[in-house]
Amino acid sequence: EAQVTQNPRYLITVTGKKLTVTCSQNMNHEYMSWYRQDPGLGLRQIYYSMNVEVTDKGDVPEGYKVSRKEKRNFPLILESPSPNQTSLYFCASSYSGKGDYGYTFGSGTRLTVV
Amino acid sequence: SQQGEEDPQALSIQEGENATMNCSYKTSINNLQWYRQNSGRGLVHLILIRSNEREKHSGRLRVTLDTSKKSSSLLITASRAADTASYFCATDANTGGFKTIFGAGTRLFVKA
Repeated sequence: EAQVTQNPRYLITVTGKKLTVTCSQNMNHEYMSWYRQDPGLGLRQIYYSMNVEVTDKGDVPEGYKVSRKEKRNFPLILESPSPNQTSLYFCASSYSGKGDYGYTFGSGTRLTVV
Repeated sequence: SQQGEEDPQALSIQEGENATMNCSYKTSINNLQWYRQNSGRGLVHLILIRSNEREKHSGRLRVTLDTSKKSSSLLITASRAADTASYFCATDANTGGFKTIFGAGTRLFVKA
């Protein structure tokens, strides 16, 4: 089944403790992206990747890192999480990032930083 | 404010009625997409309309695009309780970059 898989689904962590949220897609998509969703703000893009080893900042990149060493994986790294990063995170992928195709989304990761 | 802004923020209708949601955006676009999100879950792609198209249909969905007014509408006909969800429009900013910008969404509640 074609899908984007995120792990974990839920995570509670403490301020400053490094964490990684994994994202993997099995559709050979070139484009992958991370979003955070907060009430009343819709989805805001954190980072995106046009292809392997090509990443770029979205609208809210501060406090996050990403890497794209393989086409299928695009992990999101929070080096020193803070409470304002408490949010619902989504990974998405597409054949291209030019908006010509729809995005396939993962099921989301609900992160709480205390 | 965001590139895509949906209107209304919330909509409550009876099963069988039609639901119309609107989306406005600010800059020129290549495409506009509509997505559905059931509570707390991932977004599901519904339909994509290109800037040179004016109307598109998919099952009970009808999307229109008016580039002169920088607006789009999503019509769901003969709504069902299962259509209860949030609906988002998404636009690619035609600035040479590769960002897709989502609005804050319309929450649709269909009463059985």
